[in-house]
Amino acid sequence: DGGITQSPKYLFRKEGQNVTLSCEQNLNHDAMYWYRQDPGQGLRLIYYSQIVNDFQKGDIAEGYSVSREKKESFPLTVTSAQKNPTAFYLCASSPLRGLEAFFGQGTRLTVV
Amino acid sequence: SQELEQSPQSLIVQEGKNLTINCTSSKTLYGLYWYKQKYGEGLIFLMMLQKGGEEKSHEKITAKLDEKKQQSSLHITASQPSHAGIYLCGADTNAGKSTFGDGTTLTVKP
Repeated sequence: DGGITQSPKYLFRKEGQNVTLSCEQNLNHDAMYWYRQDPGQGLRLIYYSQIVNDFQKGDIAEGYSVSREKKESFPLTVTSAQKNPTAFYLCASSPLRGLEAFFGQGTRLTVV
Repeated sequence: SQELEQSPQSLIVQEGKNLTINCTSSKTLYGLYWYKQKYGEGLIFLMMLQKGGEEKSHEKITAKLDEKKQQSSLHITASQPSHAGIYLCGADTNAGKSTFGDGTTLTVKP
C-alpha cells in the first residue's frame, strides 16, 4: 500500500544533541514538507521541497536542516541550535504544490 | 503574511446535533483545505475548495467557500462520536508557502 511513513513515533533527545527524524513516501510525490505542531496550535512550516536536491525554508527554519537526495526521502535534522525543540513533528507529501497533502503519523520529540 | 483564524477553538456537542466550524482569512484564499486530526496522529485530508461559492460534501460533512474566497465553513450534520477530533483549515499563500489555522477541537457526547 502507498503511503508516507515517519519514524520513530517517539524520540527523546538530550540537550545539545542533534537528532534526525525520518520521512519516507512511496506515493511518487514530488513535493514534501515538514511541519511542527505545538499544543493547541496549528501547523507551522519548517521546510519544504518541490524537487530532488532542492528545498526551501518555511516560516520557522532556524535550528533545523533537511536534505532531499532521493524523491522518496526527506529527513529532518533538529540541531542543538533549536532553542525549543520539544514538539510534534509532521511530514507530508503532495503530487504538486497546491494539491492536497498526505500526512505521516508524526514524531513526538522530547528534549530531556 | 496570510493568517487563518478558526472558530470556535473548541466545541462540545451532543450526538445527533449539527455543528459548524469557521475559517477566516485575512487575504483571498487560493486553495483552502480541511483536515481532521486525531490527537497525536497525522492529518487526514477531508476536502479542498478553490472556487468562490464552491461547496463540497463527503458523507455528513459539507464545506463551503464564500464568494469573496476569504471564509470557509465546515458543517457536520447529525454528529457522531466518530466525528470527534481536531479540525484544521489550511491554505496555500501566494508566496508558495502553507499556513494553517490553530484548529478546532470537537467533542461529541454520546
